[in-house]
Amino acid sequence: DARVTQTPRHKVTEMGQEVTMRCQPILGHNTVFWYRQTMMQGLELLAYFRNRAPLDDSGMPKDRFSAEMPDATLATLKIQPSEPRDSAVYFCASGPGQGAYEQYFGPGTRLTVT
Amino acid sequence: QKEVEQNSGPLSVPEGAIASLNCTYSDRGSQSFFWYRQYSGKSPELIMFIYSNGDKEDGRFTAQLNKASQYVSLLIRDSQPSDSATYLCAVNQGYGGATNKLIFGTGTLLAVQP
Repeated sequence: DARVTQTPRHKVTEMGQEVTMRCQPILGHNTVFWYRQTMMQGLELLAYFRNRAPLDDSGMPKDRFSAEMPDATLATLKIQPSEPRDSAVYFCASGPGQGAYEQYFGPGTRLTVT
Repeated sequence: QKEVEQNSGPLSVPEGAIASLNCTYSDRGSQSFFWYRQYSGKSPELIMFIYSNGDKEDGRFTAQLNKASQYVSLLIRDSQPSDSATYLCAVNQGYGGATNKLIFGTGTLLAVQP
């Protein structure tokens, strides 16, 4: 049963701390997406990778957020330093690419910054 | 004008009725259209995609696409209380499907009354 996995599922941290979220895309998928979802803003695209190369991170606050894919089985999203306004659910999604645009979402990381 | 627009609802329908969910989009170059279902506290789940004008049926779900009117809809026949969720419309961005980015609407909350 192929699915996207994310860790941790929940994270509570204090303002100023570093937060790292991890994602394992579905094996064979070559596109990976990071989204943030809040009640006010809905689902926002933060960053997007194809074949591990970053293609678009225009939705990400550059001063504190960074996204990487160290290998094909791992994508990371880091926030340093974290702020209370970063509290949200962060989803990773992967897609097969190759002209197919559907995306499959992981369970999400619920982040609370106090 | 938002790129993908949906009525936030709630759309309330009685059990057994047809639920009709609508979505309009602004990018005439979009070629791929998706419907996701999101239960409260869960991640978005892909339920339908459609690429060609007309109807596409899958069980109780029918997706309808009209590219000339830039309109996509989802019909749910024989609605069940378990269909109660937020339904997100997503459209790929980029003329000719040049990118894998999906633009999501803010979702329509569907409530099926027993």
